[in-house]
Amino acid sequence: QQPVQSPQAVILREGEDAVINCSSSKALYSVHWYRQKHGEAPVFLMILLKGGEQKGHEKISASFNEKKQQSSLYLTASQLSYSGTYFCGTERSGGGADGLTFGKGTHLIIQP
Amino acid sequence: EAGVTQSPTHLIKTRGQQATLRCSPISGHTSVYWYQQALGLGLQFLLWYDEGEERNRGNFPPRFSGRQFPNYSSELNVNALELEDSALYLCASAPPSGRAYEQYFGPGTRLTVT
Repeated sequence: QQPVQSPQAVILREGEDAVINCSSSKALYSVHWYRQKHGEAPVFLMILLKGGEQKGHEKISASFNEKKQQSSLYLTASQLSYSGTYFCGTERSGGGADGLTFGKGTHLIIQP
Repeated sequence: EAGVTQSPTHLIKTRGQQATLRCSPISGHTSVYWYQQALGLGLQFLLWYDEGEERNRGNFPPRFSGRQFPNYSSELNVNALELEDSALYLCASAPPSGRAYEQYFGPGTRLTVT
């Protein structure tokens, strides 16, 4: 089951904040977040395991609500370099057995 | 440390032909995943190889196959190419399975079927 990402696209001014959501109808083991710039490979941002943890990476952080099967990616004081397409990838069992099921992506455009 | 490499960068084939795509994982990584990124469809899981064995496959027909070599590099073969096979094919490598992991993606092979 493909996770649902929202919003599909967002345009921000540099310095503004953004939240990208990823929801699944199935119980999840982990949620992975990636960013892909046009013409480039997706780059790993962070992984969150079931247990409702929250992680941070510079001004980018994420949470995973196990009860809601929802993860949110928070981008604080966005920079031009944050532009790209953000994908969440979900895993229903650990150890890589399922591969990752990716959402359709959220296009983020940061304007000066 | 060298990242995941893929070859060729671009591949143009005619409908009905076969395509072979190659992937070399990061040193120390034993798992290789293949994904198809078609326009508007996002990343679709194709195949997972670990320790030389196919461990799982996504919802793709059998004409998508591959293998993993003793050095953990991998090959994806697509037989009887169809126009809708045109896409960016990404491979990703990960450390030995059984624990939380991150996947590191290669730059991809752009396959165009005419």
